[in-house]
Amino acid sequence: EVQLLESGGGLVQPGGSLRLSCVASGFTFSSYAMNWVRQAPGTGLEWVAVICGNGLSAFYADSVKGRITISRDNSKNTLFLQMNSLRAEDTAVYYCAKLGGDYVYDYNYYMDVWGKGTTVTVSS
Amino acid sequence: QSALTQPRSVSGSPGQSVTISCTGASSDVGGYNYVSWYQQYPGKAPKLMIYDVNKRPSGVPDRFSGSKSGNTASLTISGLQPEDEADYYCCSFSGTYTWVFGGGTELTVL
Repeated sequence: EVQLLESGGGLVQPGGSLRLSCVASGFTFSSYAMNWVRQAPGTGLEWVAVICGNGLSAFYADSVKGRITISRDNSKNTLFLQMNSLRAEDTAVYYCAKLGGDYVYDYNYYMDVWGKGTTVTVSS
Repeated sequence: QSALTQPRSVSGSPGQSVTISCTGASSDVGGYNYVSWYQQYPGKAPKLMIYDVNKRPSGVPDRFSGSKSGNTASLTISGLQPEDEADYYCCSFSGTYTWVFGGGTELTVL
């Protein structure tokens, strides 16, 4: 069964840092691009970042560029999101989501598997 | 990267059809046939319902269909069932390996 399991969320003060993880199982992790998508309380989904299968390229939403870094460790089937200089508006449930393919090689531009999410709260 | 525009809510009675619109720009919805739709129940993760404008993943009922005209994509649910009551989000590829979601539409089955 294809699964994604996020962890690492919690309460952090404004200006602080947090590292989220997402462990994948049930598919060849390195063959797929991976995304982070967040959802602030009571609001809609917001795409945050994507990284290609081999980890050599990544792209970000303008709202997080320069503060957030997506990375992956294919030997451990794990996706990461390093978040720095956190603000109240970063408070959200963070989902990792598998892309339908690897954007470097194909055009499967949809998110076909989602984790259950991990909650990040930025507050003093 | 402005969010795509969706109606905040739609409603319909069991057995009826409803259509949810998703309006973007030529830089996203209008420029690519990479629109996808997601269903989300409260407190749950989103689920892919439609991809590439009008394709259904295996296991998604054929009551769900998608289309696109210009800068507007649409999700139509025919033969509404109580379990269709959920939030629905559109998403479009918006170039240079970035994506943009719509604000979401709450579907109520009366």
